[in-house]
Amino acid sequence: QLVLTQSPSASASLGASVKLTCTLSSGHSRYVIAWHQQQPEKGPRYLMKLKNDGNHIKGDGIPDRFSGSSSGAERYLTISSLQSEDEADYYCQTWGTGIQVFGGGTKLTV
Amino acid sequence: QVQLVESGGGLVTPGGSLRLSCAASGFTFSDYYMSWIRQAPGKGLEWVSYISNSGNTIYYGDSVKGRFTISRDNAKNSLYLQMNSLRVEDTAIYYCAREILGVGSDYWGQGTLVTVSS
Repeated sequence: QLVLTQSPSASASLGASVKLTCTLSSGHSRYVIAWHQQQPEKGPRYLMKLKNDGNHIKGDGIPDRFSGSSSGAERYLTISSLQSEDEADYYCQTWGTGIQVFGGGTKLTV
Repeated sequence: QVQLVESGGGLVTPGGSLRLSCAASGFTFSDYYMSWIRQAPGKGLEWVSYISNSGNTIYYGDSVKGRFTISRDNAKNSLYLQMNSLRVEDTAIYYCAREILGVGSDYWGQGTLVTVSS
């Protein structure tokens, strides 16, 4: 079964960096994922597509502070030089034939 | 620029029906798959359904299969979600999203709130 697992919460200080993790279920370690940001009271915003080799392609207007990387079944979102507006929920997403799956989300506190 | 604007949400009693709409602009609507994704109050994102650009391929999440119907009108640049036999647990903000195969949901609307309550 295709499942994405995220830690419920993370915290980091203004100006620091943080690395969020999304883990693919067994047997799905090569899957491509997408990362999304949801600021309070707003709709989600697409951040990037992230492949199993770490290559990532960001969405329109996404700052260079956001980057992605991969290791095995884990997909990472790194945010550097944290700003107050980065305080948000972050979701990973993947897909298979006839299905889409979201992780449970990580609430980032800055 | 790409814009997706949902409408049609509201309060409905259990067992009732509602039809959501999503008006798309800023891109060639007929070239893209589209999805409905929902978010219950205080909860995470849940995929509901997606439809191919032609409308020939449609999939649903298990929680809505047999009750919801997704459709589109490419001439009107619009996406729809017909929701029947609504349950309290269908209460959520419903988002429409543009899909790119292998990339994900690259643009989202602002959402429309559906409340199912007696």
